[in-house]
Amino acid sequence: DAMVIQNPRYQVTQFGKPVTLSCSQTLNHNVMYWYQQKSSQAPKLLFHYYDKDFNNEADTPDNFQSRRPNTSFCFLDIRSPGLGDAAMYLCATRGWGDDSYEQYFGPGTRLTVT
Amino acid sequence: AQKVTQAQTEISVVEKEDVTLDCVYETRDTTYYLFWYKQPPSGELVFLIRRNSFDEQNEISGRYSWNFQKSTSSFNFTITASQVVDSAVYFCALSEALSDSWGKLQFGAGTQVVVTP
Repeated sequence: DAMVIQNPRYQVTQFGKPVTLSCSQTLNHNVMYWYQQKSSQAPKLLFHYYDKDFNNEADTPDNFQSRRPNTSFCFLDIRSPGLGDAAMYLCATRGWGDDSYEQYFGPGTRLTVT
Repeated sequence: AQKVTQAQTEISVVEKEDVTLDCVYETRDTTYYLFWYKQPPSGELVFLIRRNSFDEQNEISGRYSWNFQKSTSSFNFTITASQVVDSAVYFCALSEALSDSWGKLQFGAGTQVVVTP
């Protein structure tokens, strides 16, 4: 089945130690999104890619970076994680040009910062 | 300003009861899309439905039904004969086609549904 895959499902990192979360998709969608979701809150968009074009949300901290080496993969890099970065990180994809506005989400990576 | 309002923080029902989740949205775009997503305890957001601003037809899918009313800017969701597996957080979301062509989703705060046997 076509899907959005996120690895790892659970990640523990130390305060200040860089961490990378990965997302892959078999849907061949042009657009990929990264969301941060803290406990009992709605997902918050960090940035998105349309193909290789990167679009950052205005309030996304510089500590968060992203890479998309090809259509299938997208990475979220947190350069110096703080305790406030502990959250669920959700990757989503969306097709383009087919009047299909829904986003398809991966299972998420739950990040713990110690 | 909050563009999607889900006023109900949590709803608790007993199995087989019906439950209706309210969603009120705000937009100046004439073309927009509304969504409902389900987030079970596992964390994955599951797409349930998309509604276009130019299509006010209500929809039924099994035990799920949706009532879209542009006159009141509402897109309500009803689960009929609820089951324990329906326990989850449900998010209503808005995408404004003209203001943001990248399909950015603006989520409501979510409503926690708890179904007890």
